[in-house]
Amino acid sequence: AQSVTQPDIHITVSEGASLELRCNYSYGATPYLFWYVQSPGQGLQLLLKYFSGDTLVQGIKGFEAEFKRSQSSFNLRKPSVHWSDAAEYFCAVTDSWGKLQFGAGTQVVVTP
Amino acid sequence: SAVISQKPSRDICQRGTSLTIQCQVDSQVTMMFWYRQQPGQSLTLIATANQGSEATYESGFVIDKFPISRPNLTFSTLTVSNMSPEDSSIYLCSVRDPGDTEAFFGQGTRLTVV
Repeated sequence: AQSVTQPDIHITVSEGASLELRCNYSYGATPYLFWYVQSPGQGLQLLLKYFSGDTLVQGIKGFEAEFKRSQSSFNLRKPSVHWSDAAEYFCAVTDSWGKLQFGAGTQVVVTP
Repeated sequence: SAVISQKPSRDICQRGTSLTIQCQVDSQVTMMFWYRQQPGQSLTLIATANQGSEATYESGFVIDKFPISRPNLTFSTLTVSNMSPEDSSIYLCSVRDPGDTEAFFGQGTRLTVV
């Protein structure tokens, strides 16, 4: 069965500092991987996705993620965090039928 | 991309009653999914709704509690039956066709049961 682990429940980062959110997955075949962001009171917004090809994926809002098959990881990064990046971030994996398996989420707090 | 409208956006309901959530998509889609997000938790898939067939429920979810309708390729409903405070959650509708690279989500329905 597929699963997603986000080891960090909560991360506090200073505005302007770099951010890295960890995601590990377990999946029998080549996974389809996603990062979503959920701001307070908002729906889910897709930041980026990996299906195949280049293992470094660029997304919206200056985010990127790197797929590492050997480590079963898909970590999300941003070089310089803005106060508006404070939100909940979810890593997810899907099968070909579209059922998404979400990680527990990482709450990001941005301090001045 | 698909635009999804969910109604209602939020509701406060009495325990023992039922609430039906509507999900309308602006294009025809093969598969629709219903997720639940309990307070402070991640999203959990409730069921997959395909047009013309009964919904497929995930472990821990049953049709009597969460009946789903899928009358056509652009619309689905999820009913939360005989509600209790434990049903207080955000319920989200999602669509994705096999072969598409992105799943789209509605804004969610925030349900509070008192």
